[in-house]
Amino acid sequence: SAVISQKPSRDICQRGTSLTIQCQVDSQVTMMFWYRQQPGQSLTLIATANQGSEATYESGFVIDKFPISRPNLTFSTLTVSNMSPEDSSIYLCSGIPGLAANEQFFGPGTRLTVL
Amino acid sequence: AQSVTQLGSHVSVSEGALVLLRCNYSSSVPPYLFWYVQYPNQGLQLLLKYTTGATLVKGINGFEAEFKKSETSFHLTKPSAHMSDAAEYFCAVSVRNRDDKIIFGKGTRLHILP
Repeated sequence: SAVISQKPSRDICQRGTSLTIQCQVDSQVTMMFWYRQQPGQSLTLIATANQGSEATYESGFVIDKFPISRPNLTFSTLTVSNMSPEDSSIYLCSGIPGLAANEQFFGPGTRLTVL
Repeated sequence: AQSVTQLGSHVSVSEGALVLLRCNYSSSVPPYLFWYVQYPNQGLQLLLKYTTGATLVKGINGFEAEFKKSETSFHLTKPSAHMSDAAEYFCAVSVRNRDDKIIFGKGTRLHILP
C-alpha cells in the first residue's frame, strides 16, 4: 500500500494567480496521476506524472495551464496557472505501487477556491 | 475505449436494508474493476477490486461485488446498511497492462435513512 499526503489541504486564491500543490508518497510508486474533481462531479484525469520527463496530458488539459513536475518516485507537484473561478475544484493526486495490479491510492485532495 | 456507467446518481436506503449500487462497464479487453468510496471532505478509499479469479469479491466494511462478464456488470452490495455508509461511491475500470489509467464513473451518492 501507499500513504499519500497533499499540501495545501485547501486554499483560496485570487484570479490570475498560480498555486502549486505538492504530493508526497511514503514509498516509491511506479505511476503517479493528477485528477480534478469539480463540485458534485466525478474525477477527471488531468495527466500522468512521469518521473524524470514531461507529464502526459489528457485531452483538454495543457502543460502551460497545469505544469507538473515529478523529480523522483515519491514526489510530484501540480501548478494551476493563471487561475480563474472555473478552476475552483478539488485536485487529487494518486499513485500505483509497483505490484498493486493497477490499484491506485489517493491523497486527501486539495480544495481550491478561486475568487 | 473503456467506460463506466453508474445507474442512479443518488440512492436512498433505510438503515438495515440491502444496499445495491449498479455499475456497468465497457471494455474491449479483460478489465480490472474497482469500487472506491469517498466520505465528505476526504479523498478516495478503495473498497474492493476485481483482477482475476473468483468473480465474487469481498471488500472492506462488509461490501462485496460480483463480476459478471456476460452482463458487463460489477454491482456493489451490502446486506445491511449502516448510517456510516453514507458517502459517494465510484465504480472504475482500467485495462491490464495498458498505461494504468483508471476511468471513473460519475458516482452514486448513497443516503441512509434512519
